[in-house]
Amino acid sequence: NAGVTQTPKFQVLKTGQSMTLQCAQDMNHEYMSWYRQDPGMGLRLIHYSVGAGITDQGEVPNGYNVSRSTTEDFPLRLLSAAPSQTSVYFCASSPRRGQVTDTQYFGPGTRLTVL
Amino acid sequence: AQSVAQPEDQVNVAEGNPLTVKCTYSVSGNPYLFWYVQYPNRGLQFLLKYITGDNLVKGSYGFEAEFNKSQTSFHLKKPSALVSDSALYFCAVRQNYGGATNKLIFGTGTLLAVQP
Repeated sequence: NAGVTQTPKFQVLKTGQSMTLQCAQDMNHEYMSWYRQDPGMGLRLIHYSVGAGITDQGEVPNGYNVSRSTTEDFPLRLLSAAPSQTSVYFCASSPRRGQVTDTQYFGPGTRLTVL
Repeated sequence: AQSVAQPEDQVNVAEGNPLTVKCTYSVSGNPYLFWYVQYPNRGLQFLLKYITGDNLVKGSYGFEAEFNKSQTSFHLKKPSALVSDSALYFCAVRQNYGGATNKLIFGTGTLLAVQP
């Protein structure tokens, strides 16, 4: 298994541009989520999904959209990039929806810079 | 609301000495606690978790953590530190809301520096 994969690894955008961060997992996990990591703030939840066709907002959803058309893929879309969205983005998955004891597995991250 | 605190931004320890990385939590029900490690320019790797049962949990790479309900703490420990343990460590908590969500709440992280 490749686990959780993310592309690209690095991206530089100009203010106002849009882009999609890709996330895929090959473990047939129901639950997937996106976090952003900023210095001194830990990881904050952006959006999450408990299965194909079901998404919901996390702690910091503004400026981001998600969709989940398949179990495997969970892309994160930046509609109009802003410098405040400069961050490292992590995708994570865990096996079962609603199962609080499940471990979440993280991808390698995407480092995004917005100029 | 549930929360996690990691009171130390950085912990310095000499190689071979024991190490402790502190974590305290706040939840209204039973806590489910996790430790993750992040090496430079890498994603987060799972170390260990406390669900129920024995208060001393053993995990990967020789790490262990002690759950203390009265002090609402879940400190990460290792008897003998290695230089290769130098990394950023995150504590996280998840609370059972009884629904479909299983959101993790992370602490701000503690940088562990092990000197040779």
